[in-house]
Order: sequence, then structure tokens, then C-alpha cells
Amino acid sequence: AQTVTQSQPEMSVQEAETVTLSCTYDTSESNYYLFWYKQPPSRQMILVIRQEAYKQQNATENRFSVNFQKAAKSFSLKISDSQLGDTAMYFCAHGEEAAGNKLTFGGGTRVLVKP
Amino acid sequence: SQTIHQWPATLVQPVGSPLSLECTVEGTSNPNLYWYRQAAGRGLQLLFYSVGIGQISSEVPQNLSASRPQDRQFILSSKKLLLSDSGFYLCAWSGIALYEQYFGPGTRLTVT
Repeated sequence: AQTVTQSQPEMSVQEAETVTLSCTYDTSESNYYLFWYKQPPSRQMILVIRQEAYKQQNATENRFSVNFQKAAKSFSLKISDSQLGDTAMYFCAHGEEAAGNKLTFGGGTRVLVKP
Repeated sequence: SQTIHQWPATLVQPVGSPLSLECTVEGTSNPNLYWYRQAAGRGLQLLFYSVGIGQISSEVPQNLSASRPQDRQFILSSKKLLLSDSGFYLCAWSGIALYEQYFGPGTRLTVT
């Protein structure tokens, strides 16, 4: 079974600074997908960024970028120029090309952006 | 564009009562559908998923069941709720050629 591990339960960052969230995963497949989701206090799950394992280039979405290290099975998220609205739980998720396209989620990292 | 709805948003039910949570998706056909449960401050636990009408896969044996009577409708049910069924329930969809999932607003269930 796939596992996704987020080793940082909570992180805080000053507004306008940068924070990096860690994620490691376990898989025996060569092709798969990785995602970061954001869950603000409203509890709505929002897709932040996705990365296909066959792509070597790291994905970027505005202030969000990833560092994908396939050999190390590592997938970190960097939030640049942190804003108060970035305060949320962040979940890393792993998916494979299989029946149902299921995702396995990590336990989450709580990010608090301080003014 | 696609949208996903869940209702009710909040529900308080006594132990032993039945449960029915509904999820509908608009703007897409033949989606994969998913039910998750999230305990407070924790990650998401996949309960059921469906790749088509009447096709339900259960991930965790429990007091709950799921049904998909229509292409874009997914229902989570229980005949008799337990205290341990309390939590936040999220429905999600994905397209056949997509691997990311899109989530509904969730239902907060409290069993008293």
C-alpha cells in the first residue's frame, strides 16, 4: 500500500517570507502523480499544485512551487511571499494509474502565517 | 465548469438513527466519485469510491455504505449511527483522464 508522510505537524512563518513543507511517499510504480491540497479554516479542500512523475521539471503555480526528487521519493512545497490567506492545513497526496484513480493523503501540516 | 454539491452542510443525529448524505456533480459525465472522512485535525480517510453507476468499492469495513443511483449522484448511508461515525465527510470527483480530485464543501456530522 502507498504511504505518504508529512513530518512537520505545524509550521509558522512571517508574512512575506518563505516556508517549505516536506512530504515523502512510498511507491513501487514508475508513473504516478503528486498533489498538494490546501484546507483553510472553512475546510474546503483546494488543489494547489500537481506534478506528474514522468516530468522532471518542477511544477509552479504563482507563489507555490515544488521540489520533486523522484529518486528520494520526496515532494516538498515552497510558499513564497507568504500571505495571511495562506494560513491553512496543507496535505500532500499521491495517486497512481489504477482503478478508481485513488489518492493517498498525508497527515497534513498546519501553516500559520503571522502578520 | 464543473461544480460539486454536498448536503446537508451540518447534521446532528442521535446514536442509532439512520444517515443519508448526498453528493451531486454538475458539468461532467461519468466521473469517478469518492467519499472521505476527516477527523478533527487529521488527514483524509477514503471510505468508498465509484467508477460508474452501481459500482461501489469499499476501502474500510465499517458501519457505513454508499450507493450511486445516477451518474452524478453519490450517497453515503448508515442504518444505525455510532458515536465513532462523527466527523467531517467530504465528497470528491475526478475525471477519467484526470488524476486530481475536486472536493465538495463537506458535511459536519455530530453523533450524540
